[in-house]
Amino acid sequence: DAEITQSPRHKITETGRQVTLACHQTWNHNNMFWYRQDLGHGLRLIHYSYGVHDTNKGEVSDGYSVSRSNTEDLPLTLESAASSQTSVYFCASSEKLGLAGEKTQYFGPGTRLLVL
Amino acid sequence: RKEVEQDPGPFNVPEGATVAFNCTYSNSASQSFFWYRQDCRKEPKLLMSVYSSGNEDGRFTAQLNRASQYISLLIRDSKLSDSATYLCVVIGGSGNMLTFGGGTRLMVKP
Repeated sequence: DAEITQSPRHKITETGRQVTLACHQTWNHNNMFWYRQDLGHGLRLIHYSYGVHDTNKGEVSDGYSVSRSNTEDLPLTLESAASSQTSVYFCASSEKLGLAGEKTQYFGPGTRLLVL
Repeated sequence: RKEVEQDPGPFNVPEGATVAFNCTYSNSASQSFFWYRQDCRKEPKLLMSVYSSGNEDGRFTAQLNRASQYISLLIRDSKLSDSATYLCVVIGGSGNMLTFGGGTRLMVKP
């Protein structure tokens, strides 16, 4: 069955270190997204991609970067981890967005990141 | 003001009760609306889309009121397994991205 996976599921790191979170989907979806979820803020969009070599900034992109070298993967990199980046990170993918009745986003299981 | 607002709850209801949540959105240009369900420490999953004419899926009914800019979710005959956080999602406000509400927590008690 097609799926979307994230790794690692849990990560503890130190302030200043570079961290990369992996996201892999086997649906062959063009659209992929990274969100963070924090108490009091809900889900906030970090970066997104509509296809290979396409990347775009979301609402809270500072301190994060992504690259899209193939359809299946959208790794998220924290260039220099900060304690404010302690959060739960969700990756998602979709075939299409928009009109009622079209498929919406499917989420990975999440990565819990703690920055000390 | 947040683009999508929900009462965080929690809503504590007994099994068998009917419960309703509302969600308001600020951008009148919003085009598509959804309810997602998120269990504790799990990923969000699509519960149902919300259509202009209202739609039903078993015990769940979703409605859209464009004039007042809110959507609602009604759950009839609540089950223990309905306990979760329900996320309101709107598309078409800012650059066609999904905008999430903060979620409403439901706890169904025996």
